[in-house]
Amino acid sequence: QQPVQSPQAVILREGEDAVINCSSSKALYSVHWYRQKHGEAPVFLMILLKGGEQKGHDKISASFNEKKQQSSLYLTASQLSYSGTYFCGTASQGGATNKLIFGTGTLLAVQP
Amino acid sequence: GAGVSQSPSNKVTEKGKDVELRCDPISGHTALYWYRQRLGQGLEFLIYFQGNSAPDKSGLPSDRFSAERTGESVSTLTIQRTQQEDSAVYLCASSSQGVVEKLFFGSGTQLSVL
Repeated sequence: QQPVQSPQAVILREGEDAVINCSSSKALYSVHWYRQKHGEAPVFLMILLKGGEQKGHDKISASFNEKKQQSSLYLTASQLSYSGTYFCGTASQGGATNKLIFGTGTLLAVQP
Repeated sequence: GAGVSQSPSNKVTEKGKDVELRCDPISGHTALYWYRQRLGQGLEFLIYFQGNSAPDKSGLPSDRFSAERTGESVSTLTIQRTQQEDSAVYLCASSSQGVVEKLFFGSGTQLSVL
């Protein structure tokens, strides 16, 4: 039931790009992306609803392919501030509730 | 309030004791979540409240764990007869409309069971 994220960890130099993937075994209604810095609470990045939409702000964007039950987060021209652990959260279609289940997390380290 | 407030921020307890963790969601938010995060691990779903509907308790790991919420306000997570494996950060989050709106997380309660 828990979505699977890949890669588990990635190290970048400033200015490089990264892609983080989130895959679910269930049909999805929505996908959330959050970033958590060490010792802090997770912070919202974006939500994608079913319909195959893409979203973005600044140099961070995401896509949602509901047929493949997958979402990807794209970080372009990475900055030091992008470092942290990225979690996707998924809500499945159907059922009586809309609980949000988080993935395994992807640790991103951006170096100067 | 301005954000989700959790108390206490830190709790150290002895194995076998009961603990109560509190969450004050953002005013007007109907959805409230509890998650557990063990050191270096992901966010483990515990329980979800949505308005006056019956809560989704499917993530509670054992019958030692319980949670209540009064209307659309404060929630308390109670762990009875604490065990060392209960040591973790317990995070609360609230949302205005569940999974179609973003979650606002509190700073969490760091629970240490000795």
